Amino acid sequence: GENVEQHPSTLSVQEGDSAVIKCTYSDSASNYFPWYKQELGKRPQLIIDIRSNVGEKKDQRIAVTLNKTAKHFSLHITETQPEDSAVYFCAARGSQGNLIFGKGTKLSVKP
Amino acid sequence: NAGVTQTPKFQVLKTGQSMTLQCAQDMNHEYMSWYRQDPGMGLRLIHYSVGAGITDQGEVPNGYNVSRSTTEDFPLRLLSAAPSQTSVYFCASSQHTVGSQPQHFGDGTRLSIL
Repeated sequence: GENVEQHPSTLSVQEGDSAVIKCTYSDSASNYFPWYKQELGKRPQLIIDIRSNVGEKKDQRIAVTLNKTAKHFSLHITETQPEDSAVYFCAARGSQGNLIFGKGTKLSVKP
Repeated sequence: NAGVTQTPKFQVLKTGQSMTLQCAQDMNHEYMSWYRQDPGMGLRLIHYSVGAGITDQGEVPNGYNVSRSTTEDFPLRLLSAAPSQTSVYFCASSQHTVGSQPQHFGDGTRLSIL
């Protein structure tokens, strides 16, 4: 079936360092890849998304890259801050038009 | 503009009881969906709807029913609650089928089944 693999499951970095989270997807027809940030006890919130017609998208300290040939996409956070600490989920559009989520990465940014 | 509103925020049930989780959106979105979130499992799709009168099953539909009589509302019914349904439930909506518009999530309902 369709699935999205996300790595690592936990990531700890020092404040100011960069963080990278990687995902792979199984459905080569997927064309939409959002990233969500979820703080403890809160709802998932969209932080950035990318469509299959581009290879990279940036928004301030956050960037997402997409390699359709390899079916990989990654989230890059530069100059990390303590408020970046949260669980991050990647997702890919499935064949029925729904989102298929990875299992999440818990990012901890140490001051 | 409230976005996606879920009620209740918390609920405790006994095994075998039934209940309905409410979800309403005021953005005139066509697409609505229900997810459950369990530790280490991410978000798994239960049921979804692409418009009023149309519903379909997701990855984990067993034990749940949905209906979509209006564009605004998409309630989730637990028919006979089981401890395995203890979870956090999120409702989400988007203007159209995912792929062209981002999904907006509600605040969630924390459900415990004893």
